[in-house]
Amino acid sequence: EVKLLESGGGLVQPGGSLRLSCAASGFTFTDFYMSWIRQPPGKAPEWLGVIRNKANGYTTEYNPSVKGRFTISRDNTQNILYLQMNTLRAKDTAIYYCARSWAYYSGDYYYWYFDFWGPGTMVTVSS
Amino acid sequence: DTVLTQSPALAVSPGERVTISCRASESVSTGMHWYQQKPGQQPKLLIYGASNLESGVPARFSGSGSGTDFTLTIDPVEADDTATYFCQQSWNDWTFGGGTKLELK
Repeated sequence: EVKLLESGGGLVQPGGSLRLSCAASGFTFTDFYMSWIRQPPGKAPEWLGVIRNKANGYTTEYNPSVKGRFTISRDNTQNILYLQMNTLRAKDTAIYYCARSWAYYSGDYYYWYFDFWGPGTMVTVSS
Repeated sequence: DTVLTQSPALAVSPGERVTISCRASESVSTGMHWYQQKPGQQPKLLIYGASNLESGVPARFSGSGSGTDFTLTIDPVEADDTATYFCQQSWNDWTFGGGTKLELK
């Protein structure tokens, strides 16, 4: 059974930093792309970034809205995904989810989606 | 960025058929996916690639569309389907629609 469990959320002051973790189990972690997605209360989800699988060199891509402030990494020996968040702002207040990413192949193109999500961890940025 | 537009809310009676729409600001081919989110829970994948039913999802759910106009259909609707439904595209970066809140009468 695929399981994802985020941790590390909490209250942080504006300008502060926080590192989130996501423990993965039930699948071969190194085979999969992994993403971070956030959702402010009552609003739509926002994809933050992805880290690719072993076959694709564990490279990363980011949403421009967080590029340069957020960093995604992974520990493939312990099956943990990380999100390092710096210079946090009030607008970063949200539930943060990790999600396994998978692709549907059609017409020579891969269409990526999120087939499993963790329950999320709340991050509140406030003084 | 590709913007996805959904109607904010719908109300239907159990047993009826409901269609939830998602319109993209530019063509996303068949790179559209649908999620169900119940209050206090994480989103759950329902449909990928516009029309492919995710394993374990009831056949009452179906998806259609290509290009800019997509539809999620639930037929028949059950009380447990009360939730917010999000579309997500992966043709041009990965973005989500604003969500459609489905309520049962």
